[in-house]
Amino acid sequence: RKEVEQDPGPFNVPEGATVAFNCTYSNSASQSFFWYRQDCRKEPKLLMSVYSSGNEDGRFTAQLNRASQYISLLIRDSKLSDSATYLCVVRRVARTGNQFYFGTGTSLTVIP
Amino acid sequence: NAGVTQTPKFQVLKTGQSMTLQCAQDMNHNSMYWYRQDPGMGLRLIYYSASEGTTDKGEVPNGYNVSRLNKREFSLRLESAAPSQTSVYFCASSEAPGLASSSGANVLTFGAGSRLTVL
Repeated sequence: RKEVEQDPGPFNVPEGATVAFNCTYSNSASQSFFWYRQDCRKEPKLLMSVYSSGNEDGRFTAQLNRASQYISLLIRDSKLSDSATYLCVVRRVARTGNQFYFGTGTSLTVIP
Repeated sequence: NAGVTQTPKFQVLKTGQSMTLQCAQDMNHNSMYWYRQDPGMGLRLIYYSASEGTTDKGEVPNGYNVSRLNKREFSLRLESAAPSQTSVYFCASSEAPGLASSSGANVLTFGAGSRLTVL
């Protein structure tokens, strides 16, 4: 079973729409959770960390459910510039230090 | 603040040639990583270095070697390139667990990537 699983999409939504991405992780010892954004032919960049209490950054809201081992990202009022691939990332501490596990990414295209 | 710098950005090799990808970070991070990214496969860990002087295999280490030259630099070497190593390679760094000043600091910062084609 993969460490992190997410729906690959693609999600094609009109501007202004609300879209939600989901992710599950398999290891309950995971300690930190993130959403990264990756534009075409670029490196992944941190979008936001995800906290148990839920957190919001402008139009973006992230939720974590540790009991269900489930992470979500909600994007409200989608903009053309939100078109990218969104990676769910989980951190766990191993004997040799931080280990990061990635979903395969969910592709979002926002259509005019 | 340059963050993570990797070179070269692009490289074309013939089967059997060797090359080294260079990576340097200026964030004083202890841990450094090499990943490869292929369509439909996501990011896969090749090797990592939890701290200066240590290296460990990741998920897909075969055909690669690494050197943690000092705290800043972590290089990835392909001794005899194969077409299956055609990929985009990302170097990344993070602080070691327990050393991050806040819970949000245990994040992974990536270099811009190196696109390698092996013919």
